[in-house]
Amino acid sequence: DAKTTQPNSMESNEEEPVHLPCNHSTISGTDYIHWYRQLPSQGPEYVIHGLTSNVNNRMASLAIAEDRKSSTLILHRATLRDAAVYYCILSNAGNNRKLIWGLGTSLAVNP
Amino acid sequence: EAQVTQNPRYLITVTGKKLTVTCSQNMNHEYMSWYRQDPGLGLRQIYYSMNVEVTDKGDVPEGYKVSRKEKRNFPLILESPSPNQTSLYFCASLPRGRVAEKLFFGSGTQLSVL
Repeated sequence: DAKTTQPNSMESNEEEPVHLPCNHSTISGTDYIHWYRQLPSQGPEYVIHGLTSNVNNRMASLAIAEDRKSSTLILHRATLRDAAVYYCILSNAGNNRKLIWGLGTSLAVNP
Repeated sequence: EAQVTQNPRYLITVTGKKLTVTCSQNMNHEYMSWYRQDPGLGLRQIYYSMNVEVTDKGDVPEGYKVSRKEKRNFPLILESPSPNQTSLYFCASLPRGRVAEKLFFGSGTQLSVL
């Protein structure tokens, strides 16, 4: 199973953009890249996902490298409510729908 | 509102006393899964179910049982809990055939086994 590597922690200031990196050098051609986040005392929640092209939604943007070996989650204007653990995950197309979870990046947002 | 509901939210029990953590989803999802989350280890899959009466082991199934008698419910059963099963548990669901679709998670069950 392909794995992801993320920094343990990052810090940002409120209303500034945040770029959360993820390395997935062993990604296969059919693996999707997902990002979830987990707020304190809550279950993980979906943020965004993509396969090859960059993706945007109301929460964030996902920039995927051309060789797909890395990706970056972009929060355009961090708020205090964005303080969470962010997980970069790969999912395979097999029957398990398995997601390989790492330890994520703990994002602190300073007022 | 689309949601995954777990109960109870918190549970303290003693070694060997059978318990069940319930999970229910109202989105008619075929796929459901249980995870446990431990400090330094992240989320690990315990069991999953592709549909009614179809279940399979995840990465850490020892000491757990599941059943899927109806689509909406996927209870996690600990027949004889032990202290190493003290953990934060999450149930999740996903629509059928949608590997790239988002997982919906419950709010979690914090279990302490004394």
